[in-house]
Amino acid sequence: SAVISQKPSRDICQRGTSLTIQCQVDSQVTMMFWYRQQPGQSLTLIATANQGSEATYESGFVIDKFPISRPNLTFSTLTVSNMSPEDSSIYLCSVGGYGNYGYTFGSGTRLTVV
Amino acid sequence: AQRVTQPEKLLSVFKGAPVELKCNYSYSGSPELFWYVQYSRQRLQLLLRHISRESIKGFTADLNKGETSFHLKKPFAQEEDSAMYYCGVLQGAQKLVFGQGTRLTINP
Repeated sequence: SAVISQKPSRDICQRGTSLTIQCQVDSQVTMMFWYRQQPGQSLTLIATANQGSEATYESGFVIDKFPISRPNLTFSTLTVSNMSPEDSSIYLCSVGGYGNYGYTFGSGTRLTVV
Repeated sequence: AQRVTQPEKLLSVFKGAPVELKCNYSYSGSPELFWYVQYSRQRLQLLLRHISRESIKGFTADLNKGETSFHLKKPFAQEEDSAMYYCGVLQGAQKLVFGQGTRLTINP
């Protein structure tokens, strides 16, 4: 299965600022997914990132708040913009759906907004 | 849209006892269902995929279309099974959508 490197692993940010999270995969993948896991909650899909096209956002998530880049088949970034304490969550990237490996997840970025 | 429901947020059993984590889904076609596990301080990882019909770490899960369920079972719980378990369904053949999760605690 694919190996995902995600960074930073954690950060504490001031409200009003932005943070960009990076996700690097060790193989080429068509689709990458970004999830949010709020404290005590399950994982919620933010958007699907395809290389060479605009990301597809889920209901409740907008590009202005969570811009995504997908410059090639092994890399993606998610930016959390104009942060507020409500954005404090774990953000995870994922790839998958191939063979019997299911979906693989990064180790997550624990974001705290103060 | 396909959805999964995990009715138990917390589940506690004694070591050696049987374990069943419930998952119900809503889908009109042939769903593709998964169980994921997250151990303390580790990343989320695939436990079972119903298509493969494997037994991983002693866990099994059978798709019951009549009851629209995909419950996760293990006959004899071990302390190392303590973790967060998520049931997921593939939506639109691409997007993995999760239930709320069940925190399983195995008591010694």
